[in-house]
Amino acid sequence: ELKVEQNPLFLSMQEGKNYTIYCNYSTTSDRLYWYRQDPGKSLESLFVLLSNGAVKQEGRLMASLDTKARLSTLHITAAVHDLSATYFCAVDIQGAQKLVFGQGTRLTINP
Amino acid sequence: DSGVTQTPKHLITATGQRVTLRCSPRSGDLSVYWYQQSLDQGLQFLIHYYNGEERAKGNILERFSAQQFPDLHSELNLSSLELGDSALYFCASSAQPHVEQYFGPGTRLTVT
Repeated sequence: ELKVEQNPLFLSMQEGKNYTIYCNYSTTSDRLYWYRQDPGKSLESLFVLLSNGAVKQEGRLMASLDTKARLSTLHITAAVHDLSATYFCAVDIQGAQKLVFGQGTRLTINP
Repeated sequence: DSGVTQTPKHLITATGQRVTLRCSPRSGDLSVYWYQQSLDQGLQFLIHYYNGEERAKGNILERFSAQQFPDLHSELNLSSLELGDSALYFCASSAQPHVEQYFGPGTRLTVT
C-alpha cells in the first residue's frame, strides 16, 4: 500500500528565513502534487510534478521531484507571513485512480 | 474558484440520521472523487466515479454510498451517522483519471 510521509509536520519560522518541507513516498509514481490549504478552506493546487528532475517555481515557493529517491521537496525562500498555511503533497499512481495525501505540514511564519 | 461546487457548505445533524452531499464537477470533467478530511485521519480518499461508473474505492464505510448521475454531478450519501463521521468532505473533479484534480470548497458535516 502506498504511504506518503511529510516532514516536518509542524514548522514555525521567522519571516525572511528559508526552509524545506520533505515528502517521501513508498511506491513508484510519476505524478506528484503540492496543495495549500488555509484553515477551514479548500485545497489550492500549487504545483504538478510529472517527471524525474522536474522543478517548478512560483514566487517564493519551489518544488522538485526525484522519482528515484521517491522524494519531493517544497522549498520556501525568504518566507513572508502570507505563506502561513498547511501544505500537502499527494501522490498519484497510474491505475490507482486516486490521490494519496501526506499528513500535511502546518507552516506558521512569524513577523 | 476551482469551478467545482458543493452543497451544502455546512450540515449539522444528529447521530443515526442520513444526509446527502452534492457535488457538481467543472464543466467538461468526467471524473469525480470524494475525500474525507478529519483531524485524526487526515485526508482520505473515499471513492472515484468516471462518467457514471465507479472506478476506485478507498476506505469507505458500508454506511456510505455514492453515485454519479448522467449530468455528471455526484452525490455522497452518509447514513446511520456517528459522531466520528464529523469531518470536512471534499469533492474533486478532473477531465479524466490520472490528471490534475480540482477541489471544491467542501461540506463541513457536524454530527451531534
